[in-house]
Amino acid sequence: EILLTQIPGTLSLSPGERATLSCRASQSIRRNYLAWYQQKPGQAPSLLIYGASTRATGIPDRFSGSGSGTDFTLTISRLEPEDFAVYYCQQYDSSPLTFGGGTRVEI
Amino acid sequence: QVQVVQSGAEVKEPGASVKVSCKATGYTFTDHYIHWVRQAPGQGLEWMGWMNSKSGDTNYAQKFRGRVTMTRDTYISTAFMELRGLTSDDTSVYFCARDGGGWWSDYWGQGTLVTVSS
Repeated sequence: EILLTQIPGTLSLSPGERATLSCRASQSIRRNYLAWYQQKPGQAPSLLIYGASTRATGIPDRFSGSGSGTDFTLTISRLEPEDFAVYYCQQYDSSPLTFGGGTRVEI
Repeated sequence: QVQVVQSGAEVKEPGASVKVSCKATGYTFTDHYIHWVRQAPGQGLEWMGWMNSKSGDTNYAQKFRGRVTMTRDTYISTAFMELRGLTSDDTSVYFCARDGGGWWSDYWGQGTLVTVSS
């Protein structure tokens, strides 16, 4: 099973600032089979990024994903008020699919 | 537009079973797998398994094998997840999600809260 560790657990920032979220895998994720999701309180997760760097439909370009192997990053270039949420990475390279523990981005 | 709508909240006693439904609209149901993911209160996301909506084939996480069954009714474009032998540790919000074509989940249901309590 591939374990995903998200760092930091909480990120305290202000609107307009840049957010850098890390997701580290316990073994190499082949073919960059990694996704990022955003979850707001009381809501289902929503897809942001798949294939490590491909934005999902309708996702603004301030969200970008990068990385390969065991180290992946989600960057939000300029935080908007609606971006304060919890972010999860997920690997789908091997079964079981696994999620990281999440990073909370708070004001 | 694609929508995934789940059944309502459930309260179950320990040892009981629960069956959650997930109705998909706005696309051809059999063209996409369905994933089930759960989230305990205040916790992260846990993948339970996927189902091939066309064939009915399933792949369950080891943790749930023997206790979970994922099925579908293609005539009503609905997927089902049944979990048996419930304990308080199964108290969670259960989500179904459409597979986006490569094992990521692109459309999610609103979630179904299952509370296990005596």
